[in-house]
Order: sequence, then C-alpha cells, then structure tokens
Amino acid sequence: GENVEQHPSTLSVQEGDSAVIKCTYSDSASNYFPWYKQELGKGPQLIIDIRSNVGEKKDQRIAVTLNKTAKHFSLHITETQPEDSAVYFCAAFPTGANSKLTFGKGITLSVRP
Amino acid sequence: DTEVTQTPKHLVMGMTNKKSLKCEQHMGHRAMYWYKQKAKKPPELMFVYSYEKLSINESVPSRFSPECPNSSLLNLHLHALQPEDSALYLCASSQAGGPSGELFFGEGSRLTVL
Repeated sequence: GENVEQHPSTLSVQEGDSAVIKCTYSDSASNYFPWYKQELGKGPQLIIDIRSNVGEKKDQRIAVTLNKTAKHFSLHITETQPEDSAVYFCAAFPTGANSKLTFGKGITLSVRP
Repeated sequence: DTEVTQTPKHLVMGMTNKKSLKCEQHMGHRAMYWYKQKAKKPPELMFVYSYEKLSINESVPSRFSPECPNSSLLNLHLHALQPEDSALYLCASSQAGGPSGELFFGEGSRLTVL
C-alpha cells in the first residue's frame, strides 16, 4: 500500500517568512495529492491540491509542487501570518476502485509574531 | 464555516452505554466517510458510504455500527466501547461517488469513554 512520509514534524517560522513542508510517497499509482490544514479544535480543511499531470499550482500565498520522478511534493507558504499556525497534513490518493487516502503524520507549523 | 455538520460536539459515555454520532451534509455529495483521529495523529479511515451503500469497512470492531439513512445523513452507533476508543470522530463527504481524496470534513465529535 501507499506510504506517505512527512518531514519535519514541527516547524517554527517568524511572521512574514516563508515555510516549506515536504512529503514523499511510495506508490507510483498515486495521482492526487491534497494538503489539509487542521486548526486546534477543528476538522481538517482542504487548502490546496495537485494532480499528477501538473508540476506546480498556486493559490495566493500558498503553492504546491510535485516531482513525480522523485515521488515528492511540497507545500510552500509565503508571507506567513499567525493564522497560518496549525497542523498540516499531506496526503496521496491513487486511482482504482476502493482507493484510500493516505495521510502523512502531520507537521505542526508555528508562526511567531 | 464547514458545510458538514456533526453532532454532538462532545460526548462522554460509559462502557455500557449506547450512543450515536450524527453527520449531515447538504452539498449533494455522493460519498460520506467516518474517520477516527487520535491526538497528534492523522485521521484513520473507518467507513465509506458510496451512494448510500457501505463500500469500505476498514475492519472496524462491531461495537461501531455505521448507518446511512439517506444521501445527506450519516450516523455512527456506539455500543460497549472501550476507553481506548476515546478520540475525535470526523465525518467527511466528497462530491465523487466513490472513495475520493478531495474531502470536506466536519468539525468532529470528541468522544470520551469512561
């Protein structure tokens, strides 16, 4: 089955700086890579995603890149703000019936004011 | 604000109790999910309903019993739980009828089993 590794487990940045979160996956059949943000006391929220036919996608201050050859994808947050502080989960989803979304372990991002 | 509504937000129950968690979505989504999340861990899939039929059961103990009365509602019936079942239970939905990675989560129901 799929295995998604996420590093590091914690990240602290100064407000205004950029943050990069990296993930690797193992199953070459995975073709959809969402990123979820979970704030304290809330459910995960899909913030950006990328499909395997695209190398990069951007939405305002966040962007995601995908390297299919190396089987890794990254989340980039620019001009970080305190409200970006949360747990971020990367995930991978393969094609096929009864496929399951595999999450990484999550990273706690802290943005220092 | 989430469009997947879960009730109750908090639930405390004894090991002999019977209770239910409820989930509702009005986005016309075709699949609904139950996930379990322990502290500082990612969500773990429990069940998937696709077009109101159970399509995935991740070998969940029978003390958890899901039910999908219609396309907008999803219940999780709880009976004879153990303290280790204490967790955040998340409901999610997806527009796609089958399992999907593009999920809309509710805020969760935090369950404590005494």
